[in-house]
Amino acid sequence: DAKTTQPPSMDCAEGRAANLPCNHSTISGNEYVYWYRQIHSQGPQYIIHGLKNNETNEMASLIITEDRKSSTLILPHATLRDTAVYYCIVRLMHSGGGADGLTFGKGTHLIIQP
Amino acid sequence: EAQVTQNPRYLITVTGKKLTVTCSQNMNHEYMSWYRQDPGLGLRQIYYSMNVEVTDKGDVPEGYKVSRKEKRNFPLILESPSPNQTSLYFCASTALPEPSNEQFFGPGTRLTVL
Repeated sequence: DAKTTQPPSMDCAEGRAANLPCNHSTISGNEYVYWYRQIHSQGPQYIIHGLKNNETNEMASLIITEDRKSSTLILPHATLRDTAVYYCIVRLMHSGGGADGLTFGKGTHLIIQP
Repeated sequence: EAQVTQNPRYLITVTGKKLTVTCSQNMNHEYMSWYRQDPGLGLRQIYYSMNVEVTDKGDVPEGYKVSRKEKRNFPLILESPSPNQTSLYFCASTALPEPSNEQFFGPGTRLTVL
């Protein structure tokens, strides 16, 4: 799986959009970008994933650059409950064979300020 | 409600005393796995299972056993726990093949081995 680089921490004001960057310059053509988050000591929670097109769901938007070497997770209206560690992961979509462990790096600790 | 449950949530034990951490999911998922999370090391996969009676080692399997006799259950067994197995453990499951490949995580089990 390709390596990712994220800032260790970010602050965002409540109600504003939180934009979390991720660099994945060694991503291969068939690797997806996944985002998970983990609220303190709880189980990680899936947010969104994408291959090359921008994606949006009820939680967030994912913007992937045209060269796919970086992406941005956008939480459009951050709330205090969005304070968590956010993990950007690049990997092959599960093919049904072999180990499929998610490799979580250190992520970005997003702190939403009231 | 779709969920992954783990028991116990907290456990303090002593070196060498066998223990089992249970994991159960109600989503009929084929794939289940165990992770441990340690400060500075992120999430690391211990064992995974592609389906009933099919299990394999992840990145850090030493000192652990698993079994998959039923689709919904995937217990983690520590035959002779040692202090270096003090950690936060997560069970996860996902359907195969699954376009979204979202992994659902349990709430975690905090284990302390004295």
